[in-house]
Amino acid sequence: AQKVTQAQTEISVVEKEDVTLDCVYETRDTTYYLFWYKQPPSGELVFLIRRNSFDEQNEISGRYSWNFQKSTSSFNFTITASQVVDSAVYFCALQVSSNTGKLIFGQGTTLQVKP
Amino acid sequence: DAMVIQNPRYQVTQFGKPVTLSCSQTLNHNVMYWYQQKSSQAPKLLFHYYDKDFNNEADTPDNFQSRRPNTSFCFLDIRSPGLGDAAMYLCATSRKDRVLDTQYFGPGTRLTVL
Repeated sequence: AQKVTQAQTEISVVEKEDVTLDCVYETRDTTYYLFWYKQPPSGELVFLIRRNSFDEQNEISGRYSWNFQKSTSSFNFTITASQVVDSAVYFCALQVSSNTGKLIFGQGTTLQVKP
Repeated sequence: DAMVIQNPRYQVTQFGKPVTLSCSQTLNHNVMYWYQQKSSQAPKLLFHYYDKDFNNEADTPDNFQSRRPNTSFCFLDIRSPGLGDAAMYLCATSRKDRVLDTQYFGPGTRLTVL
């Protein structure tokens, strides 16, 4: 069975603080993909990053960085120097290559960045 | 800009009155998905089309149907909406050749059932 757990339901920080959103996944497949999506109040799911199971390199994109560790089945997301515009719900998702592309989402973490 | 478009953005219907939601894409992707997202929950896949092949999720109610008349358009039909069908409906598209590519989402249609 495949599962994604985002243990943090809500996080509140003050602008310019760093914040890490946790994601733990479960799958028996050896080939899979991990994603992070951002959902602002408007409702659209905005793609942030895609990682395949064979690429454990960490990635940095501006203020965003991702830490993928297969040993702990985690794919954590860090926002450095958070801004009010980062306030949104963030979803971690798993896609296994053996199925038809279904994204298995975690329950989401609501991030509130206060000025 | 290539994109995924959903119309309408907000839809109000009455209990039991059929409703159709629309999704179009200019990405030329061969896979189109419909997800249902209820308040404070994660999106849940209802079904998807891989080219013209329709794939239903096992737990999708029969009340939900879909049509894909061409590559660019996909419709979600709710035959007899109940109060429990009030949700955000998200359309997504992706490209599948040898591997599945990233899913890109439209802005969603928020459905209210009175």
